[in-house]
Amino acid sequence: DAGITQSPRHKVTETGTPVTLRCHQTENHRYMYWYRQDPGHGLRLIHYSYGVKDTDKGEVSDGYSVSRSKTEDFLLTLESATSSQTSVYFCAIKNSTGKLNSPLHFGNGTRLTVT
Amino acid sequence: AQKITQTQPGMFVQEKEAVTLDCTYDTSDPSYGLFWYKQPSSGEMIFLIYQGSYDQQNATEGRYSLNFQKARKSANLVISASQLGDSAMYFCAMREGGYSSASKIIFGSGTRLSIRP
Repeated sequence: DAGITQSPRHKVTETGTPVTLRCHQTENHRYMYWYRQDPGHGLRLIHYSYGVKDTDKGEVSDGYSVSRSKTEDFLLTLESATSSQTSVYFCAIKNSTGKLNSPLHFGNGTRLTVT
Repeated sequence: AQKITQTQPGMFVQEKEAVTLDCTYDTSDPSYGLFWYKQPSSGEMIFLIYQGSYDQQNATEGRYSLNFQKARKSANLVISASQLGDSAMYFCAMREGGYSSASKIIFGSGTRLSIRP
């Protein structure tokens, strides 16, 4: 398995509180991604990063911010959690060695419940 | 705008039969790539197969093949001789852009495949 660790694996938080999810990789890959998975919606891209301090918005970025100060860490922050952000969050990484067919490798997911 | 559509929320197939999972896409970029992933009930995401927009032949990986029809913007996954272990969610995904792009990758809503013994 690609070296990707998501923490925490499970979290329950209250509406209005800030939450930070961490994705850590040991592969030195350039690209990192945050997705959320909800029934009927598949995986939706929240934010992605193409290098240290280089990030861009995805399809559902409202209410989320990210930071990447080191190659190995990509943090996802919910500034003020809402019940609509209850979801399973997946981090993924992608090699950047110039192969267009390089696939995403996923972490095990973080199950977040906002009450 | 980049878009991926999977129109089959769920499918039931008899074991040993072939199955086709539909995927259509929309992009204005001439350089793109299409991926298929499998997600079993355990939750992990497993990469299955890739097709590049400039690839001349349809991709194949074991029992998986990709029926790529560029003019119709479709990239259907074909699983031959289905097995009980193929029961899972299947996602189609698209990467827009070539080597110089920032590699944004989006997914479809998925198809839940159930194999009957």
